[in-house]
Amino acid sequence: GENVEQHPSTLSVQEGDSAVIKCTYSDSASNYFPWYKQELGKRPQLIIDIRSNVGEKKDQRIAVTLNKTAKHFSLHITETQPEDSAVYFCAASGGYQKVTFGTGTKLQVIP
Amino acid sequence: GAVVSQHPSWVICKSGTSVKIECRSLDFQATTMFWYRQFPKQSLMLMATSNEGSKATYEQGVEKDKFLINHASLTLSTLTVTSAHPEDSSFYICSARDPERTKGNEQFFGPGTRLTVL
Repeated sequence: GENVEQHPSTLSVQEGDSAVIKCTYSDSASNYFPWYKQELGKRPQLIIDIRSNVGEKKDQRIAVTLNKTAKHFSLHITETQPEDSAVYFCAASGGYQKVTFGTGTKLQVIP
Repeated sequence: GAVVSQHPSWVICKSGTSVKIECRSLDFQATTMFWYRQFPKQSLMLMATSNEGSKATYEQGVEKDKFLINHASLTLSTLTVTSAHPEDSSFYICSARDPERTKGNEQFFGPGTRLTVL
C-alpha cells in the first residue's frame, strides 16, 4: 500500500518568514496530493491540492510543488502569520482510492 | 463545499458498552464514506471504507467485529464501537467524496467525534 513520509515533525518560524514542509510517497499510481491544516480538536481543512499532471500550484501565500519522478511534494507558506500555526498533513491518493496521510508537521509561527 | 456532519460531537461511556457514531452528507449523496481514527498528536489513520449497500472494507489490523460499519443510505454511515475499552478512546472522523464536485478526488470531513471510554 501507499506510504507517505513527512518532514519535519515540528517547525518554528518567525512571523513573516517562509515555512516549507516536505513529503515523499511510495506508490507511483498516486495522482492526487492534498494538504490539510488541522487545529486542535477540529477537522482537517483542505488548504491546497495538486494533481499529478501539474508540477506546481499556488494560492496566495501557499504553494505546492510536485516531482513525480522523485515522488516528492512540498508545501510552501510565505509571509507566515501567527494564525498559520497548526498541524499540517500531506496526503496521497490514487483516483477514487483511499487517502493516505503523512505523519504531520506542527508549525509554530512566533510573533 | 460539501457538508458532512457527525453526531455526537463527543461521548463518554463506560468500559464494555457500545457507542454509535453517525456520519451524514448533508447536501450530496455519498456512495463511499471513510472512517478515520486519530490518537493525540498523531495522524489520521484510515479504519475502513464504507460502501453504500455493501460490506465495508477494513484496513489491516482493524477488527471488523469490534468496529461495525453500516452504510444503509447514500447520506448516512454509522460506526459502532462495540464493547468499548479505554484504549478505544480517540477522535473518530468520517469523510465522504462527492463525485459531482472536483472530479471526486476531494474528501469532505465531518467535525469529528471525541470518544472517551472510562
